[in-house]
Amino acid sequence: DGGITQSPKYLFRKEGQNVTLSCEQNLNHDAMYWYRQDPGQGLRLIYYSQIVNDFQKGDIAEGYSVSREKKESFPLTVTSAQKNPTAFYLCASSAILGGPPSGYTFGSGTRLTVV
Amino acid sequence: AQSVTQLDSQVPVFEEAPVELRCNYSSSVSVYLFWYVQYPNQGLQLLLKYLSGSTLVKGINGFEAEFNKSQTSFHLRKPSVHISDTAEYFCAVSERGGGADGLTFGKGTHLIIQP
Repeated sequence: DGGITQSPKYLFRKEGQNVTLSCEQNLNHDAMYWYRQDPGQGLRLIYYSQIVNDFQKGDIAEGYSVSREKKESFPLTVTSAQKNPTAFYLCASSAILGGPPSGYTFGSGTRLTVV
Repeated sequence: AQSVTQLDSQVPVFEEAPVELRCNYSSSVSVYLFWYVQYPNQGLQLLLKYLSGSTLVKGINGFEAEFNKSQTSFHLRKPSVHISDTAEYFCAVSERGGGADGLTFGKGTHLIIQP
């Protein structure tokens, strides 16, 4: 079955450490997104990508970086510059950015905790 | 730019009672509208969407929503809830013609079903 796979499900980061969250999709979707979720704050957009080798900052990009070297993969790196990284991170994809939307397909999320 | 307001952060309801979760949006152009459900520690799942046509939209798990253009609302309803409906519900909007950053989400409504 097609879908989005996020790994790992749980991740622990030490102070000053960079960590990378994986997101892979086999839906042949063009667009991919990263969201951060905190209690009571809803979903906040970190980065999005419409095509390979191109990505755009969202509302809260500071302290994060991404790459899109392959259509099916959109990894997110949480850098040491992100001062409060503890959160639930969601990856999503959609078929056509800006076209009649089928909606987003979401991964099951990665919970990142700073220790 | 579009925005979404979910008027209630929490809605407690007794089992088998009806429920309405409210969603209002703001946009200078026509929009597409979505409702998503999130169970604990999982990603979001599409409940239903309004793209065009009939203003009453039926979705999965017995939910429906009605698009009201004059009131810029897209409220979600279910005539009789079950314990399994306990979850976080998100309303989302996308501008027709393509917002550059895809969907904008509300902050969510936590539906609590009481036995």
